[in-house]
Amino acid sequence: EAQVTQNPRYLITVTGKKLTVTCSQNMNHEYMSWYRQDPGLGLRQIYYSMNVEVTDKGDVPEGYKVSRKEKRNFPLILESPSPNQTSLYFCASSPFAQGDRGRAFFGQGTRLTVV
Amino acid sequence: AQTVTQSQPEMSVQEAETVTLSCTYDTSENNYYLFWYKQPPSRQMILVIRQEAYKQQNATENRFSVNFQKAAKSFSLKISDSQLGDTAMYFCAFIRPQGAQKLVFGQGTRLTINP
Repeated sequence: EAQVTQNPRYLITVTGKKLTVTCSQNMNHEYMSWYRQDPGLGLRQIYYSMNVEVTDKGDVPEGYKVSRKEKRNFPLILESPSPNQTSLYFCASSPFAQGDRGRAFFGQGTRLTVV
Repeated sequence: AQTVTQSQPEMSVQEAETVTLSCTYDTSENNYYLFWYKQPPSRQMILVIRQEAYKQQNATENRFSVNFQKAAKSFSLKISDSQLGDTAMYFCAFIRPQGAQKLVFGQGTRLTINP
């Protein structure tokens, strides 16, 4: 089954304790992205990757890091989480073909609470 | 920068009724893609419908159809014969035709279908 798998689905952590949210896709997609969803703001892109070892900032990258060492994996790293990073996070992957542009496949979401 | 606006935070209709969700966007691009994504209580983001701006014909997917007014920069979603399973948050989204795979989302409309 084609899917994007995120883990964990729920996470409560304390301010300053480094954490990683994993994301893996099995569709051989070139593009992968991370979004955060906040009430009244919709989803906003944090980082994206166009292929292995190619990553770039989205609209809200402060406080986050990513890496793309393998095509299937795109982890999101919060090195020193703060309460304003409490949010719902989504990983998404998309194929390269122009005919599929914007046709994103999303993970199940990770609800992160930083106290 | 592109922006997407959904002016209806919440809507509620009776089962079997028709409902229309509004979306406006702002861009200086001539070609682009527009989407409606559905987020049910399970949090999974699901692509409902996709419209290519250079196509004048409005996209349809079973009970879901759009009214795309390019000059007015308007992209509304009509759900016919609404069902309880249509209860969800609906997001309108925009993507440029080239460059970074960044979906720009609206704030979302929470739709409730009542029995």
